Amino acid sequence: DIQMTQSPSSLAASVGDRVTMTCRASQDIDDSVAWYQQKPGEVPKFLLYKAFRLETGVPSRFSGGASGTEYTLTISSLQPEDFATYYCQQYYSMPPTFGQGTKLEVK
Amino acid sequence: QVQLQQSGPRVVKPSQTLSLTCAISGDSVSSQRAAWTWLRQSPSRGLEWLGRTYLRSKWYHDYAVSLKSRITIDPDTSKNQFSLQLHSVTPDDTAVYYCARKEGQKEGFDVWGQGTLVTVSS
Repeated sequence: DIQMTQSPSSLAASVGDRVTMTCRASQDIDDSVAWYQQKPGEVPKFLLYKAFRLETGVPSRFSGGASGTEYTLTISSLQPEDFATYYCQQYYSMPPTFGQGTKLEVK
Repeated sequence: QVQLQQSGPRVVKPSQTLSLTCAISGDSVSSQRAAWTWLRQSPSRGLEWLGRTYLRSKWYHDYAVSLKSRITIDPDTSKNQFSLQLHSVTPDDTAVYYCARKEGQKEGFDVWGQGTLVTVSS
């Protein structure tokens, strides 16, 4: 199975900050990565797919990046509702696998 | 819009079968563009893909290798839903279980059920 390793495991930031989190795949996944946001007690919310493509209705302050096997999720200007845990997921090969999450906390 | 509604018992005894159902509204279990999926989430395992069913020229089923001997995911076209059965459960199967849809070329799960915390305990 392809391993997805997220860093950092937690990140403290303030409203208005620009934040970037990283997900590294254990092999080439041809940009087949999705990102999710999950708040405590809630269902994961689909944010981006194919590394860069924003799901309908997701604010444009969210963006994805890629370099080799490293993928990034950037929030350009943090809003209060963005504090949550973020997960990456690969769909390049079966089974789909998830990273362990990056928890975005209030500084 | 598409919604998934999960139902099923929240407590299952060890060695018995965990059974959950996911009712679909706004889409069809027979869609040629979707794959209907079960996942689970626990502190020890994180988010884990369990398996899927989907219709193309025929019905297909894929399962996590670690569960292949114990899991069944079936569509029910008459009720527009799909189900999960996990046999011979142990406390290690305690988790929040989710049904979800993968649609078309979107490489991810765009619609999720509300989640069901299933506890395996005597």
